[in-house]
Amino acid sequence: DSGVTQTPKHLITATGQRVTLRCSPRSGDLSVYWYQQSLDQGLQFLIQYYNGEERAKGNILERFSAQQFPDLHSELNLSSLELGDSALYFCASSVGQVSGNTIYFGEGSWLTVV
Amino acid sequence: GNSVTQMEGPVTLSEEAFLTINCTYTATGYPSLFWYVQYPGEGLQLLLKATKADDKGSNKGFEATYRKETTSFHLEKGSVQVSDSAVYFCALNIETSGSRLTFGEGTQLTVNP
Repeated sequence: DSGVTQTPKHLITATGQRVTLRCSPRSGDLSVYWYQQSLDQGLQFLIQYYNGEERAKGNILERFSAQQFPDLHSELNLSSLELGDSALYFCASSVGQVSGNTIYFGEGSWLTVV
Repeated sequence: GNSVTQMEGPVTLSEEAFLTINCTYTATGYPSLFWYVQYPGEGLQLLLKATKADDKGSNKGFEATYRKETTSFHLEKGSVQVSDSAVYFCALNIETSGSRLTFGEGTQLTVNP
């Protein structure tokens, strides 16, 4: 158990809908990261937050947004869903932003868009 | 930009065989290097890491040495087991990119009894 908790574990929704994925980082970790894993794109970095502020942005679509709340949990919002958004979405956390900090991953949220 | 290249998979071995999964990287600066493992139906787990040149990371019989001169971080294990069957990801992070991980494509390993 990495200590990173993600909900829901599985989600099936229709095209055009909106979903929210939730993440609780490990106790004491200030950085939260979101990744998307799909068969054709591999593991893609989406976005990073540190202590409530956005720190880095990767290949995140404009239809997607995220935030980190004062209690450090984070949510990833996916809207106007398309079939191609079906993927495994990982949340990860680390203590800080130093290269070499171990980044711990949750078990992921499986999103299926039908 | 920063990138990681892994050997193409899948890799199929017999139990007790020697394993090497090649990983090379490109980075602007001095990255830290990681190997993560993903077992079927599970999330990513850190297998080992190295934060500076010539460091050797090791865990569960797996080893990898940070080679700055060849920009490589090859994963090795002397004797694989069926339970090692998983997908292995090489990754780097670097402070100039906000410490996020950049992953390779992943290598599927299957170990047969």
